[in-house]
Amino acid sequence: EVQLVESGGGLVQPGRSLRLSCAASGFIFHDYAMHWVRQSPGKGLEWVSGISWNSGTIGYADSVKGQFTISRDNAKNSLYLQMNSVRAEDTALYYCAKGVNYDILTGLDEWGQGTLVTVSS
Amino acid sequence: AIQMTQSPSSLSASVGDRVTITCRASQGIRNDLGWYQQRPGKAPKLLIYAASNLQSGVPSRFSGTGSGSDFTLTISSLQPEDFATYYCLQDYNYPFTFGQGTKLEIK
Repeated sequence: EVQLVESGGGLVQPGRSLRLSCAASGFIFHDYAMHWVRQSPGKGLEWVSGISWNSGTIGYADSVKGQFTISRDNAKNSLYLQMNSVRAEDTALYYCAKGVNYDILTGLDEWGQGTLVTVSS
Repeated sequence: AIQMTQSPSSLSASVGDRVTITCRASQGIRNDLGWYQQRPGKAPKLLIYAASNLQSGVPSRFSGTGSGSDFTLTISSLQPEDFATYYCLQDYNYPFTFGQGTKLEIK
């Protein structure tokens, strides 16, 4: 059974940094692209970032480019999102999601339950 | 970035009804589109990939059509568990973009 467990969320002050993690199990992690998607309270889904199986291809939403950094450690079956200089508009539930295959340009077929990030002073 | 325009934003229907949700891309995206269902308080779930392919385990009452810039999701006979919010997502290029969502409510 595929499991994606996000962690690292919490209350953070504007301008500070936060690192989210996603622990994956139940599939061969290094064979698949991975993504982060967020959802602000009461709002729709926003794709944040994606990374191919070997970290060779990475993409970001325009809203986070230059601010967030996605990475993965295939030896640890883990995905990360480094969030710098956070703003109030970064407040959201952050989901980790698995790609359909190794390529970043595919759908998202498994999702975690999310970790909540609240940016407030 | 490619804009995804989804309609309607909300829809009231009854159990047994046939409903259709549409998504239009601001440029051609081949068939690189998926449909996702999100129930309240839950993570999204992939229903349809590559515009018309049913994800494993998803009931056959769900179907998707379209290519290029116009896409539809059809639920042939609504069941109580289908009342949720539905999103399209283009994975043609990045940044990926979602439609704004369609909230399907019980009439």
